[in-house]
Amino acid sequence: SQKIEQNSEALNIQEGKTATLTCNYTNYSPAYLQWYRQDPGRGPVFLLLIRENEKEKRKERLKVTFDTTLKQSLFHITASQPADSATYLCALLSGGYNKLIFGAGTRLAVHP
Amino acid sequence: EAGVTQSPTHLIKTRGQQATLRCSPISGHTSVYWYQQALGLGLQFLLWYDEGEERNRGNFPPRFSGRQFPNYSSELNVNALELEDSALYLCASSLGGDLGNQPQHFGDGTRLSIL
Repeated sequence: SQKIEQNSEALNIQEGKTATLTCNYTNYSPAYLQWYRQDPGRGPVFLLLIRENEKEKRKERLKVTFDTTLKQSLFHITASQPADSATYLCALLSGGYNKLIFGAGTRLAVHP
Repeated sequence: EAGVTQSPTHLIKTRGQQATLRCSPISGHTSVYWYQQALGLGLQFLLWYDEGEERNRGNFPPRFSGRQFPNYSSELNVNALELEDSALYLCASSLGGDLGNQPQHFGDGTRLSIL
């Protein structure tokens, strides 16, 4: 069966460290993978998009990698700040599905 | 630039009633998407409209329906409400074209509570 999995447990890290969030998928062949941030009571906010032929994408303190062999995307936040605390969602578009498929998200808590 | 706006912010209904949720996309966006997010769960895809046409529908019963108007705004209608329909309903918009290659811009949702 098809699955898109993110760590259900919250990730707690110290301010200034690098946060790494994982998105694994099974039985999909995504052409695109997107990452979003969602704060409590708010809609998700788009962060980064990576295509299947790209290994890595960067935007300021954010970095996304996409490994189609491992069927995994990693999302990194360097020099993390308490303001980075939120739930982070990955979403993929796979052929034949005609929709974005979202993971359940990982909650990140950055402590001062 | 104004973002995606949804109304109402909160909606309280009882079982068996009907609910109408509204969404105004970002100016210039032709695609509108609807998602359901039940408490503690991920986003579940409901509907995708583009240029006034329904492009795809998620695995929801027919009592979930919608439409897109000529100005690209959209409505989601839920008939015969059930307790399990209680959730945050999110609308997103994007430019038309390649689905996965476009970021989706979300509103802050309508919180639907069924008593």
